[in-house]
Amino acid sequence: QVQLVQSGAEVRKPGASVKVSCKASGYTFTSYDFNWVRQASGQGLEWMGWMNPDSGNRGYVQKFQDRVAMTWDTSTSTAYMELSTLRSDDTAVYFCARTYHATGALDQWGQGTLVTVSS
Amino acid sequence: DIQLTQSPSSVSASVGDRVTITCRASQDISSWLAWYQQTPGKAPKLLIFAASSLQSGVPSRFRGSGSGTDFTLTISSLQPEDSATYYCQHADSFPWTFGQGTKVEIK
Repeated sequence: QVQLVQSGAEVRKPGASVKVSCKASGYTFTSYDFNWVRQASGQGLEWMGWMNPDSGNRGYVQKFQDRVAMTWDTSTSTAYMELSTLRSDDTAVYFCARTYHATGALDQWGQGTLVTVSS
Repeated sequence: DIQLTQSPSSVSASVGDRVTITCRASQDISSWLAWYQQTPGKAPKLLIFAASSLQSGVPSRFRGSGSGTDFTLTISSLQPEDSATYYCQHADSFPWTFGQGTKVEIK
């Protein structure tokens, strides 16, 4: 079955970087777009951007443009999201999610990775 | 950016009740709308895509409708396991955004 399995919780100091991984299985990795969505504690969902492992195209929300990098390794079917210059308000659960064909809907999600930014 | 406004922000209803959640877009998004259900500590689960298409495996008591700027998620007969927060999300143009969420509680 389709699964997205994310890396474990991380703790970073302000100004540092974090790289979260998302390993896909059960389908052809390059056939679907990937997205990253975050959620601060008790808050709503915030879409950060997307990437297409086949075309190499990607796009980021403007507020993250200078600090985020979404990459992938097709040999291991793994997507990565690196966020740099971390601030305390980056403390959140980060989800990877697959786009369902051309619908724009996110049909498969990772379990989430808690990133805590604290001095 | 397109803004999505959900109402109500929370609703309390009894088992068997009909529950309706609305999502209003700040501009025309055609049918580029999805609905998700999220329970505490879990990832969101896709319920509806393309405004009215039921995702495989989702109970038929969930129904999505609407197009343009006004959309509705209806739970025809509320069940205990439907206690969750529900989000709408548009995919009309980048950046995609989510509504602020509607918490559904069981009386």
